[in-house]
Amino acid sequence: AQSVTQPDIHITVSEGASLELRCNYSYGATPYLFWYVQSPGQGLQLLLKYFSGDTLVQGIKGFEAEFKRSQSSFNLRKPSVHWSDAAEYFCAVGARGANMLTFGGGTRLMVKP
Amino acid sequence: EPEVTQTPSHQVTQMGQEVILRCVPISNHLYFYWYRQILGQKVEFLVSFYNNEISEKSEIFDDQFSVERPDGSNFTLKIRSTKLEDSAMYFCASTPIGGGSTEAFFGQGTRLTVV
Repeated sequence: AQSVTQPDIHITVSEGASLELRCNYSYGATPYLFWYVQSPGQGLQLLLKYFSGDTLVQGIKGFEAEFKRSQSSFNLRKPSVHWSDAAEYFCAVGARGANMLTFGGGTRLMVKP
Repeated sequence: EPEVTQTPSHQVTQMGQEVILRCVPISNHLYFYWYRQILGQKVEFLVSFYNNEISEKSEIFDDQFSVERPDGSNFTLKIRSTKLEDSAMYFCASTPIGGGSTEAFFGQGTRLTVV
């Protein structure tokens, strides 16, 4: 069965600083990988996804993520964080032949002015 | 932009009572899901539903839970006799097709508090 680990429960960065949120997965084949964001009072919104091909994927709101098979990682990055990026971020994996997603525990991002 | 809507946003119920959480998936989507997130824990899959029947369910989804698509637009989750440990945020989601590669569209969630 697949699993996802987000090692950082909370991260605080200054506005304008760069950001990297870590995600490690466990799955026997090439996974489908997703990053979702949840702002307060909102549902989960897809930031980006990886299925195959180019290992660096671009998403919305200036986010990108890189799939590294050797490290079983799919870290989310943003070069310059904005105060509106403060939210909770979830990494998730989808399995071939299954319909559900398996989520990591989430990372809460706080942005200092 | 089409979206998944859930009602109510917050539900408080007494232990042992039945609750029904409601969702309106995106209209041309064929697969529907319920997930839950207990405070401070992971978002967990409960059940997926396709063609008017359950297609997958997790160990959490026991006999206390049921899902239904009572009409062409609503998708409901019923908890028959709520327990304190059912307190959580419940998310509904839908996808146009099945498979792990499909982007799931989530509602804003219903926070269920069992007292």
